[in-house]
Amino acid sequence: GAVVSQHPSWVICKSGTSVKIECRSLDFQATTMFWYRQFPKQSLMLMATSNEGSKATYEQGVEKDKFLINHASLTLSTLTVTSAHPEDSSFYICSANHRGGTDTQYFGPGTRLTVL
Amino acid sequence: AQSVTQLDSQVPVFEEAPVELRCNYSSSVSVYLFWYVQYPNQGLQLLLKYLSGSTLVKGINGFEAEFNKSQTSFHLRKPSVHISDTAEYFCAVSDAGANNLFFGTGTRLTVIP
Repeated sequence: GAVVSQHPSWVICKSGTSVKIECRSLDFQATTMFWYRQFPKQSLMLMATSNEGSKATYEQGVEKDKFLINHASLTLSTLTVTSAHPEDSSFYICSANHRGGTDTQYFGPGTRLTVL
Repeated sequence: AQSVTQLDSQVPVFEEAPVELRCNYSSSVSVYLFWYVQYPNQGLQLLLKYLSGSTLVKGINGFEAEFNKSQTSFHLRKPSVHISDTAEYFCAVSDAGANNLFFGTGTRLTVIP
């Protein structure tokens, strides 16, 4: 149990376009989902926390108008990178908590975004 | 906010030798502690976690970790490593009951045949 999927696993796009990444909890309901960004050979940096049915909470330095997060259901959260630029190229990873539990985050396999 | 220090960025070790990956965190009243493993181009997989109770925690793939409150440490150990253990290992901490996870910078474990 506790499987989290992400789609797509990788995406290449042109500069100026928008890219949507989906994060799904496959076998559990997740009231809270998290979006992380990981640069090569570095650790994960939390971008935002999203709760089902409410606005996401963004970490300091993360542009909420650039990284749009929607958590429309208990099993789906989306991250949209708007007007992507080459510096947005990174590995984006989502995670989710079980509904009613806060102790463990289960991570998706990540999405590799390359902006040309 | 918590801070997590993984002192070793890279640890090479011969196959079947023991290994210890170190993790220290900033002090807090009560914390949850985690070790995750990341294989190339993949997400993070939970190895083990400490929430409460016994300070020695056993996880998957033969790994274990010991919570030491006085030293604010949560070092990861395995008595005999395999080639397949080659990966990046991340220590993470959260305040008990809180959602936020704070990650260390990771330790690259390379198992040498």
